[in-house]
Amino acid sequence: AQTVTQSQPEMSVQEAETVTLSCTYDTSESDYYLFWYKQPPSRQMILVIRQEAYKQQNATENRFSVNFQKAAKSFSLKISDSQLGDAAMYFCALPLKNAGGTSYGKLTFGQGTILTVHP
Amino acid sequence: DTAVSQTPKYLVTQMGNDKSIKCEQNLGHDTMYWYKQDSKKFLKIMFSYNNKELIINETVPNRFSPKSPDKAHLNLHINSLELGDSAVYFCASSQGLGASGYTFGSGTRLTVV
Repeated sequence: AQTVTQSQPEMSVQEAETVTLSCTYDTSESDYYLFWYKQPPSRQMILVIRQEAYKQQNATENRFSVNFQKAAKSFSLKISDSQLGDAAMYFCALPLKNAGGTSYGKLTFGQGTILTVHP
Repeated sequence: DTAVSQTPKYLVTQMGNDKSIKCEQNLGHDTMYWYKQDSKKFLKIMFSYNNKELIINETVPNRFSPKSPDKAHLNLHINSLELGDSAVYFCASSQGLGASGYTFGSGTRLTVV
């Protein structure tokens, strides 16, 4: 069974500092993708960053980067120079192919980590 | 221009009623989804349609019926609403395998009283 675990229910960081959110997962697939989504109080789910499992290089999007450890099945998100607007719930997600192999379709989400940014 | 739009954003209704939530995407994606987020913020897939064909149907009460009239639309109809149906329902879309990620709507908060 495919699982995604976020062991940190809540994290906090000072503005301009760096914070790392943890995610571990389990899958039998060898080729897959991983995502981090951000859900601010507005409720909108926003894609923050994606990682392709076959790429050894860690993905980076501006102040957001990941530490992807495929063997350890770990996919952590690092937020540098934290801003007040980064305050949100963050979800790690792993898509699973459907039976027909036509779509990854089924996103399995972690439990989420609430990030608070202190001014 | 909203990429994935859901209506309504809020829905308050009484137990036993029937309600629908509509979703439209203008991204040209070929796959659309319904996800449910419960009170603990846990997100779980309900249904997925690829080119109007149902490809994922999780263990969801048959009171929930999705309908996809075309690739750009996926509606969710709920019969005989129960208190436990109260949640936030998200529509999402993706292209092909979804490797580029999934675009979500802003959610519909359903409250059953």
